[in-house]
Amino acid sequence: AQSVTQPDIHITVSEGASLELRCNYSYGATPYLFWYVQSPGQGLQLLLKYFSGDTLVQGIKGFEAEFKRSQSSFNLRKPSVHWSDAAEYFCAADFILTGGGNKLTFGTGTQLKVEL
Amino acid sequence: NAGVTQTPKFQVLKTGQSMTLQCAQDMNHNSMYWYRQDPGMGLRLIYYSASEGTTDKGEVPNGYNVSRLNKREFSLRLESAAPSQTSVYFCASSTGTRAGELFFGEGSRLTVL
Repeated sequence: AQSVTQPDIHITVSEGASLELRCNYSYGATPYLFWYVQSPGQGLQLLLKYFSGDTLVQGIKGFEAEFKRSQSSFNLRKPSVHWSDAAEYFCAADFILTGGGNKLTFGTGTQLKVEL
Repeated sequence: NAGVTQTPKFQVLKTGQSMTLQCAQDMNHNSMYWYRQDPGMGLRLIYYSASEGTTDKGEVPNGYNVSRLNKREFSLRLESAAPSQTSVYFCASSTGTRAGELFFGEGSRLTVL
């Protein structure tokens, strides 16, 4: 079955340090891939998305993500974290279903804490 | 810039009571969704409406009903609330294409006692 896995439930980084959040998917082909961010008490906001082409995609707020087909991964990165980046981050994948249609599946999220 | 608006933001119910969560979007989107968010489980799709006049079950539809009232509005009803339905509920909308970004409301926190 199609699935999205975010292996890290919590991550803590110091302000100014680099960040990498992991995301793996299980699927027979390449799905459409997304990263969303959720600030406390808010809904989710799209950071970036990947459909095809260049495997390194740029998003808002200085985030980028790299798609690696061989590893079925779509990891989110930021070179220098700011205190305002503290939030929960969700990876999502849109899979084509064998019976037709498509399904957007979210990972369970990674909570990012930023130490000053 | 209203985007997606959900009401109410907070609600406390007793077991067996009914209630309706309202959602409206002003982006002329075709598709609308209801998700629930529970700790450690991410977002799970309850129901969705691919276009005005259609609704379909998602992953966790039991205990819920929906109505796509018009293109703007999509409501979620709990007919007989249960403690297992304590959650944060999010409405979202999109253009309806696979590439389409989901736009989320701010959420409705529901507690069932």
